Amino acid sequence: DTGVSQNPRHKITKRGQNVTFRCDPISEHNRLYWYRQTLGQGPEFLTYFQNEAQLEKSRLLSDRFSAERPKGSFSTLEIQRTEQGDSAMYLCASSLAGGHRGQFFGPGTRLTVL
Amino acid sequence: SQELEQSPQSLIVQEGKNLTINCTSSKTLYGLYWYKQKYGEGLIFLMMLQKGGEEKSHEKITAKLDEKKQQSSLHITASQPSHAGIYLCGAPYTGTASKLTFGTGTRLQVTL
Repeated sequence: DTGVSQNPRHKITKRGQNVTFRCDPISEHNRLYWYRQTLGQGPEFLTYFQNEAQLEKSRLLSDRFSAERPKGSFSTLEIQRTEQGDSAMYLCASSLAGGHRGQFFGPGTRLTVL
Repeated sequence: SQELEQSPQSLIVQEGKNLTINCTSSKTLYGLYWYKQKYGEGLIFLMMLQKGGEEKSHEKITAKLDEKKQQSSLHITASQPSHAGIYLCGAPYTGTASKLTFGTGTRLQVTL
């Protein structure tokens, strides 16, 4: 399967713990995006990378959130000191750069903070 | 207020019936993406519209973009149970098409 993959698919954690999610994009895609989706809403943009450079971050991305794409391939999203409000589906997408290119999404990581 | 409004919010249709979902933008559209999502899963890319008046079809799903009206419609012909899910429209509000802004989705149920 050459689509976008995300791990883990589900994560349950206690408030105050740190969590890290991983996203592996489609291999030839140089852009990688993170979105967050809560129940009944559409996905909301968090951040995106072109190769290893993080080019934009949303105001939703508080200082407890950090994302990396060290070698321009896979990416990690870490949430420190999780809060109950962080409970959501975290979606990763990838695309080619330049003009309007389709963004292809992974299956998501569902985070539940108790 | 939402930049992208979808209507209706939910829809129940009988198998075999046609249906239309609308997506209206409050800002100039540079393009419009349509996705389908099953509950608890990721988004499946359906199609991308770039130019005013553009129309694309895939199997029984057709989407059109009306740039003047800042609106797109998604039409399903002869609906099937496999069409059930949440349909989301997303728009790149920049010319570089980086981040997408999404509507809240239209939930479609298809009854037998």
